[in-house]
Amino acid sequence: RKEVEQDPGPFNVPEGATVAFNCTYSNSASQSFFWYRQDCRKEPKLLMSVYSSGNEDGRFTAQLNRASQYISLLIRDSKLSDSATYLCVPYAGNNRKLIWGLGTSLAVNP
Amino acid sequence: NAGVTQTPKFRILKIGQSMTLQCTQDMNHNYMYWYRQDPGMGLKLIYYSVGAGITDKGEVPNGYNVSRSTTEDFPLRLELAAPSQTSVYFCASSWDSWDNSPLHFGNGTRLTVT
Repeated sequence: RKEVEQDPGPFNVPEGATVAFNCTYSNSASQSFFWYRQDCRKEPKLLMSVYSSGNEDGRFTAQLNRASQYISLLIRDSKLSDSATYLCVPYAGNNRKLIWGLGTSLAVNP
Repeated sequence: NAGVTQTPKFRILKIGQSMTLQCTQDMNHNYMYWYRQDPGMGLKLIYYSVGAGITDKGEVPNGYNVSRSTTEDFPLRLELAAPSQTSVYFCASSWDSWDNSPLHFGNGTRLTVT
């Protein structure tokens, strides 16, 4: 099993749609989770940190299920500017590193 | 605040040449990192530093060296460049350890070795 797995997409959705991305991780020792967004050929930028069961920030909601080793990101009322790659990044405390996968590509269309 | 600044933005090297990628941050962050991102791949950690004078290897340190003489600066040195080092390099910093605070990235350096 890969350390972190996401559906690469691309997800093509119309403006205003609600879209959800899923992420599974293999290391049960992972304690913290981060969602970053990365625009094409740009640097990653933090979207949200998740330390407990979930987090909400405006249109973005993350939910964590430790038993299933699964974390999701929900985006409501999608904007054109949400088009990017979304990276689920677990922190594996037992080997002290962030695990960067390939992310999920989102394209929001007018 | 400028945040994390990387120079140069682009560079083409010939095989066997050397260069230093510069990284500086003005946020007084203790932790600094160098990542590389190959096309269609996830970020790989090259080296990191938890404070001035302290550096440690990441996942892919071979062919690179770093130093951290000040809190602000964390240059990455490539000796004897090879085509396998063609990549986008990102420098990042964080206030606290990576489980506890977000990483702030620079804009990246696009390096081609031919």
